Amino acid sequence: GAGVSQSPSNKVTEKGKDVELRCDPISGHTALYWYRQSLGQGLEFLIYFQGNSAPDKSGLPSDRFSAERTGGSVSTLTIQRTQQEDSAVYLCASSWGHNQPQHFGDGTRLSIL
Amino acid sequence: QKEVEQNSGPLSVPEGAIASLNCTYSDRGSQSFFWYRQYSGKSPELIMFIYSNGDKEDGRFTAQLNKASQYVSLLIRDSQPSDSATYLCAGMKGGSNYKLTFGKGTLLTVNP
Repeated sequence: GAGVSQSPSNKVTEKGKDVELRCDPISGHTALYWYRQSLGQGLEFLIYFQGNSAPDKSGLPSDRFSAERTGGSVSTLTIQRTQQEDSAVYLCASSWGHNQPQHFGDGTRLSIL
Repeated sequence: QKEVEQNSGPLSVPEGAIASLNCTYSDRGSQSFFWYRQYSGKSPELIMFIYSNGDKEDGRFTAQLNKASQYVSLLIRDSQPSDSATYLCAGMKGGSNYKLTFGKGTLLTVNP
């Protein structure tokens, strides 16, 4: 497809389990971003990749969160030992480069029981 | 003070009217601004971006930026029921050039 692809679209898991979220950016986009959207919290920045490097991880809420990007393309966001406050929609976006418009995927709705 | 503030609404306009959505920002370092439309349960969709002071028009949409007043707006002309959605304003700092800071969004309802 031409857009940003995220999987799974929905994930329900038990508290304490690890989850892995995947993002496949628009072909050719070198920059990739993860955001989180919680009810009442709005969209918050998590991490930015330029190529395979993550110059800014400042938005990751805790050390339970990590992300990587390989081959300058697909990225995975991993949450270890999930907590109920991790429940949110996790959105991935990509752009041609920094300071360019960011295009979002459909998101992964994560629910922690 | 939030970095990007929007009136949460809801804003209700009749079909065919002009909808005016407003956004203010606190960081004078913000250089670029983006308007996203988000339908309920869907992801944000980019509709306009503006980098320079003044107006930028695209079809029924006009984005306005006033850096002196730290104010950004989006006008939707000839509003349609399909425009009913939450509109998110986002700013990007000139230094970082990548991190979008979003407002909480304004819910727009266009009544047939």
